[in-house]
Amino acid sequence: GNSVTQMEGPVTLSEEAFLTINCTYTATGYPSLFWYVQYPGEGLQLLLKATKADDKGSNKGFEATYRKETTSFHLEKGSVQVSDSAVYFCARSSGSARQLTFGSGTQLTVLP
Amino acid sequence: NAGVTQTPKFRVLKTGQSMTLLCAQDMNHEYMYWYRQDPGMGLRLIHYSVGEGTTAKGEVPDGYNVSRLKKQNFLLGLESAAPSQTSVYFCASRGTADHEQYFGPGTRLTVT
Repeated sequence: GNSVTQMEGPVTLSEEAFLTINCTYTATGYPSLFWYVQYPGEGLQLLLKATKADDKGSNKGFEATYRKETTSFHLEKGSVQVSDSAVYFCARSSGSARQLTFGSGTQLTVLP
Repeated sequence: NAGVTQTPKFRVLKTGQSMTLLCAQDMNHEYMYWYRQDPGMGLRLIHYSVGEGTTAKGEVPDGYNVSRLKKQNFLLGLESAAPSQTSVYFCASRGTADHEQYFGPGTRLTVT
């Protein structure tokens, strides 16, 4: 079936450190891939997306590249800020209704 | 635009009670989805709708029913609540041409 495997957390970094959160997906079909972010007490917000192989999604300094050969969509940021502290979810779409399958989420805490 | 709204924000039920969660969107989106979020498990799809008058089962539909009588509203019902349904419930919607889903702020439900 469709699944997404995401790096387990929690992850704690110092401000300005480099961030990588790994995400791999099952290769069924041609999914779109997403990173969503959830700030404390809030719903999910789309951070970035990629809809086909080799696409790079980017937003707010975050980047992820759709790698079909490794079925991966790793999230990176060169210099994290305290305000990036949140839970990050990797997701893939599937089915005619483009339902989302989520990874388990990674809690990121950035310390000043 | 209010986007996606959910009512109520919080609710406590006793086992066996029933309730309905309301999701409303003002973006004229065709697709709507209900997810539940449990610790360490990401979000899982309960039911979804591809248009007014249609509904379909997701990954974890048991114990829930849904209705989409109006395009802008998607109702999630619990006929006889169980402690296993304690969770945070998120509604989302998507336009036909969109890849991403737009999420509401969530409803935190506790069943005692």
